[in-house]
Amino acid sequence: DAGVIQSPRHEVTEMGQEVTLRCKPISGHDYLFWYRQTMMRGLELLIYFNNNVPIDDSGMPEDRFSAKMPNASFSTLKIQPSEPRDSAVYFCASSSLGRDEKLFFGSGTQLSVL
Amino acid sequence: GQSLEQPSEVTAVEGAIVQINCTYQTSGFYGLSWYQQHDGGAPTFLSYNALDGLEETGRFSSFLSRSDSYGYLLLQELQMKDSASYFCAVSHGGGYQKVTFGTGTKLQVIP
Repeated sequence: DAGVIQSPRHEVTEMGQEVTLRCKPISGHDYLFWYRQTMMRGLELLIYFNNNVPIDDSGMPEDRFSAKMPNASFSTLKIQPSEPRDSAVYFCASSSLGRDEKLFFGSGTQLSVL
Repeated sequence: GQSLEQPSEVTAVEGAIVQINCTYQTSGFYGLSWYQQHDGGAPTFLSYNALDGLEETGRFSSFLSRSDSYGYLLLQELQMKDSASYFCAVSHGGGYQKVTFGTGTKLQVIP
């Protein structure tokens, strides 16, 4: 398996634009997590899914953030409109918690909002 | 809510032993994990403890005390490549598990 695949690796956009981050989890994993990492706040859990269903989105900072998982092999995190304070590294991770406690992280998307 | 505390920075000498502590407060606790992250990279899994005691994996060991809500990561025979950030993380929840990370400890290994 190629591991968790995220795209794009880097995204530079202007304030007010829509940003869509993509994630392909490892096949067979039933949990998918979206994290945001900044120097100030560390690794924050934004939202997680189990079997494609959103379980807890309490970490999503504002209504500008939304996430979907239309099928077991694809998830998106969308920010609309983007703001400079959204600049961070966004990680997607997948797992089969309960059977294997490891989270496997993608390479992350470095987002810069100007 | 959940909270995890770990030191922000640790410096140790190559070949030495270093211990990184983690204390946590959470409900619905399942277990404590440790992850390593090099600068510019993604976190990678190191270990997981669900029960009290010590788990050893090569040069790395991890300990958990559920009654004290405390754990640590022990790195032995430090190498320069061990310079990285180390995160403790709690698996917790009601029916579904979620994983919440600490703020990380930046380890610098010096010659």
